[in-house]
Amino acid sequence: DTAVSQTPKYLVTQMGNDKSIKCEQNLGHDTMYWYKQDSKKFLKIMFSYNNKELIINETVPNRFSPKSPDKAHLNLHINSLELGDSAVYFCASSQDPGEDTEAFFGQGTRLTVV
Amino acid sequence: GESVGLHLPTLSVQEGDNSIINCAYSNSASDYFIWYKQESGKGPQFIIDIRSNMDKRQGQRVTVLLNKTVKHLSLQIAATQPGDSAVYFCAEIISGNTPLVFGKGTRLSVIA
Repeated sequence: DTAVSQTPKYLVTQMGNDKSIKCEQNLGHDTMYWYKQDSKKFLKIMFSYNNKELIINETVPNRFSPKSPDKAHLNLHINSLELGDSAVYFCASSQDPGEDTEAFFGQGTRLTVV
Repeated sequence: GESVGLHLPTLSVQEGDNSIINCAYSNSASDYFIWYKQESGKGPQFIIDIRSNMDKRQGQRVTVLLNKTVKHLSLQIAATQPGDSAVYFCAEIISGNTPLVFGKGTRLSVIA
């Protein structure tokens, strides 16, 4: 079983569209994250959720809205997609925020906005 | 700006040699560090971690060294194999309730 799974793996869409990326973890973790990886491979935190509640929002545009229906899921909805949104988006989870535990990552979703 | 960075963006190593990947961090309050490996088309995978109260930790073929005086972290891979080819990231937790902050990554290429 995959620990952190996200879908879709690839997403190609036109500017202005609205899209969602889904993420699920079966590790029983309390905290989930979304990271964005740009073309230079830099990984930057976007959001952090603990027990379905938002605890960190790192200056991400309002067009990005995470939704956590339960603590095993953290979906990312993006409105009015722009060319600059093209990147690989990673979902991750960990047992507690900031504790000495590793974060487990999904395989990533490569978003291409054309 | 980012508080974690890397000295070398790319590193080419002969198969069987040892690899050393370096990382500099700027936040002296950071108390936990992790090295991740990211293979092409995959998410980052945990390799090894170290707490700030340690200066060395060993795993299977990997060793992490932490020098808090100069805020430097390194990952040593013994007997590098082709399967070690990937991008390696150091990451830190700055304080108790924050997510991992990643450095810029080093691409390791193993020459057979």
